[in-house]
Amino acid sequence: DTGVSQDPRHKITKRGQNVTFRCDPISEHNRLYWYRQTLGQGPEFLTYFQNEAQLEKSRLLSDRFSAERPKGSFSTLEIQRTEQGDSAMYLCASSLEHRTGGYEQYFGPGTRLTVT
Amino acid sequence: GQSLEQPSEVTAVEGAIVQINCTYQTSGFYGLSWYQQHDGGAPTFLSYNALDGLEETGRFSSFLSRSDSYGYLLLQELQMKDSASYFCAVKGTGGFKTIFGAGTRLFVKA
Repeated sequence: DTGVSQDPRHKITKRGQNVTFRCDPISEHNRLYWYRQTLGQGPEFLTYFQNEAQLEKSRLLSDRFSAERPKGSFSTLEIQRTEQGDSAMYLCASSLEHRTGGYEQYFGPGTRLTVT
Repeated sequence: GQSLEQPSEVTAVEGAIVQINCTYQTSGFYGLSWYQQHDGGAPTFLSYNALDGLEETGRFSSFLSRSDSYGYLLLQELQMKDSASYFCAVKGTGGFKTIFGAGTRLFVKA
């Protein structure tokens, strides 16, 4: 397994357009997370899936954001009617829960979104 | 609310030891993790503490005091490649949402 992959790596879009990003987690990982990161800040939690169930979604997210993980494998994050403030790096991570309750999250390389 | 505080920048010389502190405020606690991120790269996991005490992994160690809501990452025998941002992170209430600190940028000088 080559780790978490994300596609595309870069996306430039005009304000008002819709964009969709894909994340392929490590195959045996049942947990999947989406984050957003801007320059100089830590990753900001967006949403979490356990298998195909979306168990938590940040209240910071507006209705323009939606995520799916239809078969508990890959996931997509869609942003509708993009705004310039959506410009950021979108990171996906996957994990398995350790017996101690620990959680080592493996991050993908991210998708850098630029809204013009 | 839930928040983490860590210094924004730390500078140290090659071969030295540096400690990066993290204080947290959460309504539930499921352990403290540390991640490293180089410029242009993705965060990579370094360590996890669920219980009080010191966890050692090679040149890196991490400490947790749950009673003080405090932890730190200790980097020994600093190398130039250790120049990166370091984030502490906790799980939020319910154990799903992960909250990251704003990060500490470490500069290692020759």
